[in-house]
Amino acid sequence: EVKLVESGGGLVQPGRSLKLSCAASGFSFNDYWMGWVRQAPGKGLEWIGEINQDSSTINYTPSLKDKFTISRDNAQNTLYLQMSKLGSEDTAIYYCARGLNWGQGVMVTVSS
Amino acid sequence: DVVMTQTPPSLSVAIGQSVSISCKSSQSLVYSDGKTYLHWLLQSPGQSPKLLIYQVSNLGSGVPDRFSGTGSQKDFTLKISRVEAEDLGVYYCVQATHFPRTFGGGTKLELK
Repeated sequence: EVKLVESGGGLVQPGRSLKLSCAASGFSFNDYWMGWVRQAPGKGLEWIGEINQDSSTINYTPSLKDKFTISRDNAQNTLYLQMSKLGSEDTAIYYCARGLNWGQGVMVTVSS
Repeated sequence: DVVMTQTPPSLSVAIGQSVSISCKSSQSLVYSDGKTYLHWLLQSPGQSPKLLIYQVSNLGSGVPDRFSGTGSQKDFTLKISRVEAEDLGVYYCVQATHFPRTFGGGTKLELK
């Protein structure tokens, strides 16, 4: 069974950084593209980006490219999302995704 | 970016009724490999989105055949025959043909 478990969320002050993790299990992690999607409270879905199997290709939604960095550790079966210069507009649930399989998400709240 | 226009934004239905949701894209979603990467997701209340249909018309694992998807190029439809209570939630179309991936605004299915 594909299992994706996000962690690292919480309350963070504006302008600070935060790194999310996604622990993957139930499949061969290093065989798949992985990605991140977010959903602001009461809003729709926004694709953040995705990374290929050996990290040689990473695609981002252009508006987020300068503040978000996606990486992975295949030895640890873990996907990461490094977020910097956070603002209130980044308050959202962040989902880890393997194709069309999603984790349960982790909440990030940006507030002073 | 490819704009995904989903209509209607909400639907009020009775159990047993059939409904359709439209999703139109601003560009053709046919990829260079000939496939069309248009998918449908359902987000039940309080849960992460789950795959319903992939590549226009293919049912996800465990998805009942009351759900069906049709369409081509820029115009797609999700049909639910004989709505059941478990079908309530927000439906999203998403295109994975072009970067960045983009989602429709969602259609909220509620009980009448």
